[in-house]
Order: sequence, then C-alpha cells, then structure tokens
Amino acid sequence: DAGVTQSPTHLIKTRGQQVTLRCSPKSGHDTVSWYQQALGQGPQFIFQYYEEEERQRGNFPDRFSGHQFPNYSSELNVNALLLGDSALYLCASSLFGTEKNIQYFGAGTRLSVL
Amino acid sequence: AQTVTQSQPEMSVQEAETVTLSCTYDTSESDYYLFWYKQPPSRQMILVIRQEAYKQQNATENRFSVNFQKAAKSFSLKISDSQLGDAAMYFCAYRRLGNQFYFGTGTSLTVIP
Repeated sequence: DAGVTQSPTHLIKTRGQQVTLRCSPKSGHDTVSWYQQALGQGPQFIFQYYEEEERQRGNFPDRFSGHQFPNYSSELNVNALLLGDSALYLCASSLFGTEKNIQYFGAGTRLSVL
Repeated sequence: AQTVTQSQPEMSVQEAETVTLSCTYDTSESDYYLFWYKQPPSRQMILVIRQEAYKQQNATENRFSVNFQKAAKSFSLKISDSQLGDAAMYFCAYRRLGNQFYFGTGTSLTVIP
C-alpha cells in the first residue's frame, strides 16, 4: 500500500519563475492538503482539495494555486516566485468526513528560490 | 485564530529515560482533535498519537502517552523508555472541525546514548 508520494524531492528556481509540485495521496484517500514548512518552523496550511475543488484556504496569496484531478492526485502551483517561498512543501492526504480524519504526510518537496 | 505553542525549542533525554514535551493551544471551540507528529531527518511527518477533545481519558500508544488538560488547554507528550530512534522534531497540532491543521513550531528531541 503506497503512502503519500510527492515529486520532485528537490527543486531549484529563480525569482519570478513558476513552479509546479505534485502529490499522489495514500490509496483510498480523497482529500489532499498542502502545507509550507519554512526552515525551523512548523507547517503552515496553504489549502485543501476535495472533489476537485478548493475547500479551505490558509493565509497565502493568490500566487499559490492548486488543482485536484479525478484520481485524487493534486498539484500545487506557485507563480512569480519570491525568495521567501523557499521552504519544504508537504502534501497530506486523508479521507473526507471520517471521524478519525488522520492526515498522512509525504516526504515533501524542498524548494529553493535563488 | 487558533494558535499552538511549543515553548521548548530543544530537549534532550538519556536513553531509557522519560521525557515530557509541552504544548499549549488557544481555541474557543469545544470539539477538536489534538495530535503529536514526529519529523525525523527524512522529513516525513509521522503520526505519534491523537487525542479527541471530548474524551477525558488520556491517549496512550505503547511508550507514548499524553497529558490532556482541556481547561488549561494543555497537551503534553510523555515518551517513556526513550530510544535512539525517538530523536526527531516533534510537532504538536490542533485540528478544528473541517480538517484544517494548525501546528506548533516544534521541539527538537535529542536522545543521548
């Protein structure tokens, strides 16, 4: 049973560029959440996707956008990259509406913006 | 907004000893979940233990247990018989209904052989 997988593992971009990160949820899960984890900090919620729609959003600008596909996989897009966007981006999957609603995390994508 | 505070940036424990990591949170809600996640150098967040706010009994998972004080909004993690593999960053997290998680800033745990 594959867990949450993210690609790529590392990425280097320059300011102003655009980036796309990918996530495949754990088998049987239908909800994907994205988090940004800056160095030395806890993860910060970006947004959550369920049924191919953004359901919740944290305090992040519109430069951060996402998509969920019919197979529940998801993408995170960041436009006009800033130096401050350098962070570990974590994807978490869960089964929507279940009481336990435990999130399982991927190993993340390390994004460096130069 | 909900906040989660971990006041211990770093902790250390001797192998086989017991250590307690602290966490406090702020919320006006009565129904929520609390979690402790472990993040080793591999970066993958691993669920350690979970507590439902409506349950008075403290959760326990093998060597890991919590002390949940709802009125005080405190949720500490106790690790008994510490092992070298317990060394990691530990994050306390709060989940409101609707699935959004709020994380603390983490406590780095070192296990001394």
